[in-house]
Formats: sequence, structure tokens, C-alpha cells
Amino acid sequence: GEEVAQTPKHLVRGEGQKAKLYCAPIKGHSYVFWYQQVLKNEFKFLISFQNENVFDETGMPKERFSAKCLPNSPCSLEIQATKLEDSAVYFCASSQSAEGGYEQYFGPGTRLTVT
Amino acid sequence: GQNIDQPTEMTATEGAIVQINCTYQTSGFNGLFWYQQHAGEAPTFLSYNVLDGLEEKGRFSSFLSRSKGYSYLLLKELQMKDSASYLCAVQDSNYQLIWGAGTKLIIKP
Repeated sequence: GEEVAQTPKHLVRGEGQKAKLYCAPIKGHSYVFWYQQVLKNEFKFLISFQNENVFDETGMPKERFSAKCLPNSPCSLEIQATKLEDSAVYFCASSQSAEGGYEQYFGPGTRLTVT
Repeated sequence: GQNIDQPTEMTATEGAIVQINCTYQTSGFNGLFWYQQHAGEAPTFLSYNVLDGLEEKGRFSSFLSRSKGYSYLLLKELQMKDSASYLCAVQDSNYQLIWGAGTKLIIKP
């Protein structure tokens, strides 16, 4: 598609429950990025993929967070055993390249509320 | 450590000009991006600078000085729809985007 699609738009989970977010990048873009934005503050980089391979996972919390980009499927970000501090808007972005000068196109975000 | 600073909030008048500054300290530099984010929406790309100097694109211009670790976004002929947050982001040596906290711009009639 011509836009990055993210589902669901809103997600509410009780503390300790699992949350799974999905992202479909723009067709032809081989890089996908996940960011967390808490309370309208700066974006925190989580992880990036080049096609189905992890490109950079230095921002990914070691426990509870995992992500995948499989061929012919939307990319996913999964949080096991959610905590209150996971409440945030999770943005997915896609790009033709991870190198300089290539802008990242953002999806509308998924607002996760952990209660 | 890596750090990007921009003012938290600025106010300007419709029709006027405003300059939003961004200073950065990062491990390596592969370019600086400016994004606009309206409340409740996704960020949209405004500009990219990798060489020193001014890049002009319609009402928006962006300037970069790599030696000073400094950039600014200049918005001319302000319109009410320009009320938004403006995010400065630097691409470091690993091509990872390091983001500032954003500057909330309020336009008054």
C-alpha cells in the first residue's frame, strides 16, 4: 500500500496480559522501525528490520518485548506480561533504506493502555 | 551520551516568522531530520540536512552547522494549521534516529 498501516488503533490490556501490535509497511520499503512514544515525549527507538531480518535491536527491552517481520505477513510487536509503564503510543515506520537521507514514513500508531 | 535539545514550547503570531532551534551531541552523524506532528497524529517528514547550509522548501527552511552541532527550522508566513509539535532527529553512526522531545508551536491569530 501507499501508507503504513497499523492495527489496532487502540488496545487496552490488564496488567500482566499480552499485547500484540501489527504493522504493514509501504510496499517496496524493505526497512521497518518500531518506536515507543510515552505521554507525547520523545520517540524511543525499539527495533528495526531489514526485510525479515533484525537490523538493529539495541533499543529493545530484553525481557517481555519481541518483534517479527515474516514474509507476506504484517510485522508484529508483542509485549508479554504488560506493565503499567508500557502504556504509550507505539509507532511503526518504514523506509527504502536505513541510511542517511531516506525519510521514514510513519503509521498512525497504536495507543496501548495498560490498566 | 547522546543528547538532542530543543525548546519545549514556542508561541508566534499568524503571518509571522518563527525559528525553532535544535542542538545535538551524538555518536556520529549521518544527517538531521525535522518532522511535524499534529496532536494525536503520526509525524510527517519536513526536511533533511546532511551538509552545512540552508535548505529551502516553500514556507519551510532548515539550516545545519555540523561544527556547532546546531540546526534550526524556519517557518515563514505562519498559518493556524502550523500549530503542531516539531521534532528534531539526528541519525547517528549506526543510522539510528535519535529524537528530541519536540517543540510545541502555538500560533495565535
